[in-house]
Amino acid sequence: SQQGEEDPQALSIQEGENATMNCSYKTSINNLQWYRQNSGRGLVHLILIRSNEREKHSGRLRVTLDTSKKSSSLLITASRAADTASYFCATGAQKLVFGQGTRLTINP
Amino acid sequence: GAGVSQSPSNKVTEKGKDVELRCDPISGHTALYWYRQSLGQGLEFLIYFQGNSAPDKSGLPSDRFSAERTGGSVSTLTIQRTQQEDSAVYLCASSLARLAGGRETQYFGPGTRLLVL
Repeated sequence: SQQGEEDPQALSIQEGENATMNCSYKTSINNLQWYRQNSGRGLVHLILIRSNEREKHSGRLRVTLDTSKKSSSLLITASRAADTASYFCATGAQKLVFGQGTRLTINP
Repeated sequence: GAGVSQSPSNKVTEKGKDVELRCDPISGHTALYWYRQSLGQGLEFLIYFQGNSAPDKSGLPSDRFSAERTGGSVSTLTIQRTQQEDSAVYLCASSLARLAGGRETQYFGPGTRLLVL
């Protein structure tokens, strides 16, 4: 069964706007990761946030984690056409459990 | 450096045939994982190898699925007597030995798209 639920399932925005995706999970975690997937193939690791962290930045990415609400968000600032992809959150140490993903489309 | 590679990229087979999918992990990575991504089930864990330990097979959906890892490097996922519901993208990942707090990142290959007719 899927640990994470992502919201929204699909998001379409204009280039230059910010995109926010949310992820909720069910059990306690040590860390949470975000991955990107282009064209239904390999997953690219974006960022990992530990359970004792509340916010983490990497370039145009900002991830927040609220363990009391069992939720995380991924913010992509100043979006580009190349950011068009599906984004997944994942929990677990070895056996990653993925959410259903958010399909992000950046319109030029 | 080279990432995780998988072969073949695409595989079309007939129902009832056996298939073998190959994964070459990143050199030096001691952990190797197989996942499956299908329309109905999303991304699912299948099996996990860590060094010389017995693999964690808890995600394998049936006894038609098996995997081995030879010499602690290359892995082969075998599906016997394939069924149409086995159609999916099979993804392999590898990571370094476990770090404190489970911080290791899994690096994924491009996947093998399997279609069972």
